Amino acid sequence: GAVVSQHPSRVICKSGTSVKIECRSLDFQATTMFWYRQFPKQSLMLMATSNEGSKATYEQGVEKDKFLINHASLTLSTLTVTSAHPEDSSFYICSAGQVLGSPLHFGNGTRLTVT
Amino acid sequence: DAKTTQPNSMESNEEEPVHLPCNHSTISGTDYIHWYRQLPSQGPEYVIHGLTSNVNNRMASLAIAEDRKSSTLILHRATLRDAAVYYCILRGSSGSARQLTFGSGTQLTVLP
Repeated sequence: GAVVSQHPSRVICKSGTSVKIECRSLDFQATTMFWYRQFPKQSLMLMATSNEGSKATYEQGVEKDKFLINHASLTLSTLTVTSAHPEDSSFYICSAGQVLGSPLHFGNGTRLTVT
Repeated sequence: DAKTTQPNSMESNEEEPVHLPCNHSTISGTDYIHWYRQLPSQGPEYVIHGLTSNVNNRMASLAIAEDRKSSTLILHRATLRDAAVYYCILRGSSGSARQLTFGSGTQLTVLP
C-alpha cells in the first residue's frame, strides 16, 4: 500500500539552529502534502499545506518565515524549522494522499527537541 | 467545518468487541466520515471511511446512523495492539477540504 516516509524520526538541536525534516511519498506522487504538529497529550494541529511547484499555504498563527516548506518534486516535501527555540519542541508529522478524496497516509513523525 | 464529538476515553477487554461512538449532528450531505487511529509515538493510521452505508474492511466496521448524525467504529475483537487514540473526522469531498482536521479523539485502553 501507499507509504509516506519521514526522516529523521528524532532530532535534538540547540536553540538558534535550524532543522530540516523530509517527507517522501514512496510509491505514489503527491501534489499536495500536509504538515501537522502535535504537542504532548494534544491532538494534531495542521500547520501548512505543501503544494508541489508553488508556495505553501499556512494556517493562521503559523509563521511562514519560521517554518519553511519546500515541495520541489512530486514525492518530496521538506519542513525547515529555522532558528529553533525550546517552544518549537514538538512532534511533527507529514501526510499525503494518492488522489483527491482518498485516505491520507501519514509519516511516522519527527520528534524535535530543542535544548 | 462540521465537528465531531467523541468520548475522551474507553476501556475494553482483550478479545471482546469494542464500539467507539462518534456524534456529528452538523454533518453535511457531502461529508465523508473518516476514522483514523494513532498509536503512541507514531503518525495516525487510516482505519475506515464511509458516506451513508455501513462499511467493513479487514481492520474494522463502520456503522452509520440512518440520519448520518452519528456513527460507530466497531473493532470486532480487540487486541492489545489496538490500544490507541481513535479519531472520527468529517471530510469534504473536494477542494480545500482535502486536509483532515483532528479533534481530541477517544483514547482506547485494552485490558489483558
